[in-house]
Amino acid sequence: EVQLVESGGDLVQPGGSLRLSCAASGFTFSVYWMDWVRQAPGKGLEWVASIKPDGSEEYYVDSAKGRFTIYRDNAKNSLFLQMNSLTADDTAIYYCVRSLNMDVWGKGTTVTVSS
Amino acid sequence: DVVMTQSPLSLPVTLGQPASISCRSSRSLVYSDGNSYLNWFQQRPGQSPRRLIYKVSNRDSGVPDRFSGSGSGTDFTLKISRVEVEDVGVYYCMAGLYWPPQTFGQGTKVEIK
Repeated sequence: EVQLVESGGDLVQPGGSLRLSCAASGFTFSVYWMDWVRQAPGKGLEWVASIKPDGSEEYYVDSAKGRFTIYRDNAKNSLFLQMNSLTADDTAIYYCVRSLNMDVWGKGTTVTVSS
Repeated sequence: DVVMTQSPLSLPVTLGQPASISCRSSRSLVYSDGNSYLNWFQQRPGQSPRRLIYKVSNRDSGVPDRFSGSGSGTDFTLKISRVEVEDVGVYYCMAGLYWPPQTFGQGTKVEIK
């Protein structure tokens, strides 16, 4: 079964950092682009970042540039999102998603930025 | 950036009746291979999104055939032939070209009258 399982979400203070993880299984992780998509409370979907299969290219939404880093470990079938300088606007459910056409989604992990 | 505009944003429907959601792109989504790259997603209450349709009209595995997608260029439509209770949720279109950024529509909330 194709599966994506996120972890690492937490309550963090403004200005803090957090690392999200996504464990992939049931498919050949190393050949797929991977994404992070977030959803703020009561809001729509917002793409956050994408990474090429070999990790050589990364792309970010403007609000994440310079603060977030997407990376992957193909040997461990894992995707990560390092988030620094967090603000209240980063409060959301973060979804790990397979491929640029977003064919498989995880259940999400919740990040809350609040003092 | 390509802008995706959905209408309506709220869609009350009667069980068993059809429903239709429109999605308009600010740029043509036709690629050089002749395909249009437009996806539809469903998000049921309390669940993560799932892809329903890719490349305008191709249903994902397990998606009931009462869901259909159509359109080309900049105008696309998702239709539900007969709405069932399990279809309640929010539907999003997404452009499959001109990324980054990947862009979604605002979402259309389907509810039962």
